[in-house]
Amino acid sequence: EVQLVESGGGLVKPGGSLRLSCVASGFPFNNAWMTWVRQVPGKGLEWVGLIKSKTHGGTTDYAAPVKGRITISRDDSKNTLYLEMNSLKMEDTAVYYCATDCRDCVDYWGQGTLVTVSS
Amino acid sequence: DIQMTQSPSSLSASLGDRVTITCRASQSIYSYLKWYQQKPGKVPNLLIYAASVLQDGVPSRFSGSGSGTDFTLTISSLQPEDFASYYCQQTYSTPRTFGPGTKVEIK
Repeated sequence: EVQLVESGGGLVKPGGSLRLSCVASGFPFNNAWMTWVRQVPGKGLEWVGLIKSKTHGGTTDYAAPVKGRITISRDDSKNTLYLEMNSLKMEDTAVYYCATDCRDCVDYWGQGTLVTVSS
Repeated sequence: DIQMTQSPSSLSASLGDRVTITCRASQSIYSYLKWYQQKPGKVPNLLIYAASVLQDGVPSRFSGSGSGTDFTLTISSLQPEDFASYYCQQTYSTPRTFGPGTKVEIK
């Protein structure tokens, strides 16, 4: 069974930093492209960024609103995906989901972790 | 970046109604389109990928069609559990943009 479990969310002050983790199981993580999606409570889904598998270069791509403030990384030895967020703004308050990224096939999502940016 | 639009933004329908939601891309995305259903407080649930392929376990009353820039999600006979928000997402290129969503409510 595929499982993605996010952690690391919480309350952080504007300008602060946070690192989210996503532990994967039930599929070959090292072959998977992985993505982060966020959702402001009550609003729509927003793609945050992705990281390719190492065999595809392990490169990253980010959405414009977060580019320069976030870093997505992976540790295939730990089956773990990370999202490092810096210079956090109130508008970054959202539930953050990790998910597998597949252009034309099934994807899997974690349960999400809430990040609240507030003073 | 590819922009995704959806229409309508919300709709009211009755049980048994046929419901159609439209998604349009700002440029051709071939068939790289997914549809998700999301209920309040829940994780988005993949319904359809590659524009028309039904995810395992999704009821056959859901169907997807289209290619290029225009896509449709159809619910052939609305059931109580279908009242939710629906999002399209293009997976042709990055950023993998989502549509703004369509909320299906009970009439």
